[in-house]
Amino acid sequence: DAKTTQPTSMDCAEGRAANLPCNHSTISGNEYVYWYRQIHSQGPQYIIHGLKNNETNEMASLIITEDRKSSTLILPHATLRDTAVYYCIVRGSNDYKLSFGAGTTVTVRA
Amino acid sequence: NAGVTQTPKFQVLKTGQSMTLQCAQDMNHNSMYWYRQDPGMGLRLIYYSASEGTTDKGEVPNGYNVSRLNKREFSLRLESAAPSQTSVYFCASSEGGGYYEKLFFGSGTQLSVL
Repeated sequence: DAKTTQPTSMDCAEGRAANLPCNHSTISGNEYVYWYRQIHSQGPQYIIHGLKNNETNEMASLIITEDRKSSTLILPHATLRDTAVYYCIVRGSNDYKLSFGAGTTVTVRA
Repeated sequence: NAGVTQTPKFQVLKTGQSMTLQCAQDMNHNSMYWYRQDPGMGLRLIYYSASEGTTDKGEVPNGYNVSRLNKREFSLRLESAAPSQTSVYFCASSEGGGYYEKLFFGSGTQLSVL
């Protein structure tokens, strides 16, 4: 079960792109990178996941480096509603013992 | 389609009391999980059930028991509550068994043990 390292907090201006880094240097070949966010004590919400290719959906983009040792979640046009704690997790097949670290607290400012 | 439903939303217990947190999902998911979240911290896995009929310990199982009642329901029991169990409890579910596993979470139960 690979570990991840994220900055504790970051600020972002409303309307600008927010780039959230995550290091997962011990990731193994069959482990996916997942991102979740938790808005004000609600249950975490899935954002996006990827294996080695870059991914994009309606919420965000995920850029994974070629060596897969780090990734960046991009919120293209941050809004105040994107203020949340963002969790980066790596997970392999049948890996049920999944815990969430402290994540990155993102504050979007007007 | 309610997703993952947890009851109750709030509970206050006295030390030594027992209670059961209920969780139900309507997505026909195989796997279910119980997490706790302490202030300013991430979520820690208490127990999980990979499929109906199986349960396994997570990172912090001491003081808890679980029951996978059927495919839909997964309950968490505190037999003798302690102040250290004051926390927010989240239930989650996922399809289970594949490489791609998206977890769906309930809205949480705020538990205070006095």
